[in-house]
Amino acid sequence: SSELTQDPTVSVALGQTVRITCQGDYLRSYYAGWYQQKPGQAPVLVMFGHNNRPSGIPYRFSGSSSGNTASLTITGAQAEDEADYYCASRDSSGNRVVFGGGTKLTVL
Amino acid sequence: QLQLQESGPGLVKPSETLSLTCTVSGGSISNSNYYWTWIRQPPGKGLEWIGSIYYSGSTYYNPSLNSRVTISVDTSRGQFSLTLTSVSAADTAVYYCARRRMDYYFDLWGRGTLVTVSS
Repeated sequence: SSELTQDPTVSVALGQTVRITCQGDYLRSYYAGWYQQKPGQAPVLVMFGHNNRPSGIPYRFSGSSSGNTASLTITGAQAEDEADYYCASRDSSGNRVVFGGGTKLTVL
Repeated sequence: QLQLQESGPGLVKPSETLSLTCTVSGGSISNSNYYWTWIRQPPGKGLEWIGSIYYSGSTYYNPSLNSRVTISVDTSRGQFSLTLTSVSAADTAVYYCARRRMDYYFDLWGRGTLVTVSS
């Protein structure tokens, strides 16, 4: 079992807004990173820190954090956003990384 | 543009040692802003951090694998390597090498290589 908990599946209608969450005690101390993985491809960093998007990531992706929960929000989900999403954080040692179990996002 | 490329055997026998290499091209592995990392993903499952190494050789490992894993770096060749001993079917996975920033985010990944543990 993962020390970061994610809902296994989430669905959203095309063009609507969806929030993907990640829960864990480490998130009280560290911001989560969010990774998008499409079938047969390597993960891609889509969000880090306090709502920071790497270059090339669409504006519709945003991040937030409160207490032990981090969230990735997609405002106006597109078909190409259908993917697995993983959160990750430093652990209590501060030197290691743990991943959440992943959320499969379906765009209807 | 910096790229990462994994290489190594795609099939390893149970109880033997898995060895993979990641070649860093288009940039320096000795960049002080990054750690170099191995991450794996069993078929149909989630991501698991294996460990990270700094160009100086400083390492951090996943406690669940600590007794079996070694990560090393060869700065002259621009490569870092993973060794995992006493493998079993549970070690069958796609193994990724990745670059980890100092703020602990993985901003660059290799394409991954599938390693199957089977006799």
